[in-house]
Amino acid sequence: DGGITQSPKYLFRKEGQNVTLSCEQNLNHDAMYWYRQDPGQGLRLIYYSQIVNDFQKGDIAEGYSVSREKKESFPLTVTSAQKNPTAFYLCASSIRDGPYEQYFGPGTRLTVT
Amino acid sequence: GENVEQHPSTLSVQEGDSAVIKCTYSDSASNYFPWYKQELGKGPQLIIDIRSNVGEKKDQRIAVTLNKTAKHFSLHITETQPEDSAVYFCAAGLYSGGGADGLTFGKGTHLIIQP
Repeated sequence: DGGITQSPKYLFRKEGQNVTLSCEQNLNHDAMYWYRQDPGQGLRLIYYSQIVNDFQKGDIAEGYSVSREKKESFPLTVTSAQKNPTAFYLCASSIRDGPYEQYFGPGTRLTVT
Repeated sequence: GENVEQHPSTLSVQEGDSAVIKCTYSDSASNYFPWYKQELGKGPQLIIDIRSNVGEKKDQRIAVTLNKTAKHFSLHITETQPEDSAVYFCAAGLYSGGGADGLTFGKGTHLIIQP
């Protein structure tokens, strides 16, 4: 089956620790995205990547880092510099040149205490 | 940057009635407007989308309209069913020959279908 996988579904960390969220896709999509969702809020763009070894900051990149070493993978690191890391994190991918639909993974719920 | 406003935040309708959700956007350069449905604890799923060169698009019970001049677009669901209950998000994005930037989302509408 083609799709996007995010692991783990639930993640718990202590404050001050960095944590890396996994995102893998087998859709052969060039573009990948990370969004953050807080209760009662829409999705906010953290980082996106249109091709391997290249990525751009989104609206709320502070306290996060990414890498794009492989087309299939776009891991997100939540660093200790992120002031409010507890949230639902969603990864998405799309064909770079259209048709523009972004396919979303099932999400990772991160809780930092 | 782009800003997307979505209304209402909660919408309760009787089963079989129609539901309408409205969104406005600020950046006139945006050219792609998708609607997503999200069920509790899951990732959003695209239900319909529209591009700026089209005024209306329909897929069975779901339709989307776009008014570029007023910078607003709407989702219409007819003959609502219990399985339509979910949170719906509108979004706006700019796609060019250079690739796909991220989407800007509204804050969502919780649609409740009353039996």
